[in-house]
Amino acid sequence: AQTVTQSQPEMSVQEAETVTLSCTYDTSESNYYLFWYKQPPSRQMILVIRQEAYKQQNATENRFSVNFQKAAKSFSLKISDSQLGDTAMYFCAFMKLNTGNQFYFGTGTSLTVIP
Amino acid sequence: DTGVSQNPRHKITKRGQNVTFRCDPISEHNRLYWYRQTLGQGPEFLTYFQNEAQLEKSRLLSDRFSAERPKGSFSTLEIQRTEQGDSAMYLCASSSSGAYTEAFFGQGTRLTVV
Repeated sequence: AQTVTQSQPEMSVQEAETVTLSCTYDTSESNYYLFWYKQPPSRQMILVIRQEAYKQQNATENRFSVNFQKAAKSFSLKISDSQLGDTAMYFCAFMKLNTGNQFYFGTGTSLTVIP
Repeated sequence: DTGVSQNPRHKITKRGQNVTFRCDPISEHNRLYWYRQTLGQGPEFLTYFQNEAQLEKSRLLSDRFSAERPKGSFSTLEIQRTEQGDSAMYLCASSSSGAYTEAFFGQGTRLTVV
């Protein structure tokens, strides 16, 4: 079974500062994907960033980057130059490659960007 | 195409009643997923369709739950004899087939059972 753990239920950051959200996971799979999804209040989840497990290089998408430590099964998200629009729930998710490709989500971290 | 659409957005029902939700995926997507999200939790996988075939069901999907995807287009999720524990956000997502393709989520249907 796959489990995803987000140990920070709530976090806050000053606008323009940097914040890091933590995620750990447990799996016996060797090939999988990891994701961070953002869920703004009353809006649908959108993909922030993804990482293929076979790639050693950490993924980066503009102000968002990850620190993927495969041996430690850790997958943290760093948000640089935080903006008010970054306020949302952030979910870490694991996907093993099979016919279904379903996600396993963590419990989420509620991030508030303070003006 | 405006993305994944779910209806209704909100549903309040009395315990014991049946409810049905609808999901319209992105038109060219052949995979469709249903997830359930309770307060303070991340979404949990319920079931998955590839075209019209329901290929996987979670053990969370009790026999009171049924999902269909006729003709591989829209999907419905029905809950019979609702219970208070069914209160949750029900999310639909769709994607193309392949080793990995991005899944797009709808805004969800929030069910409250009173």
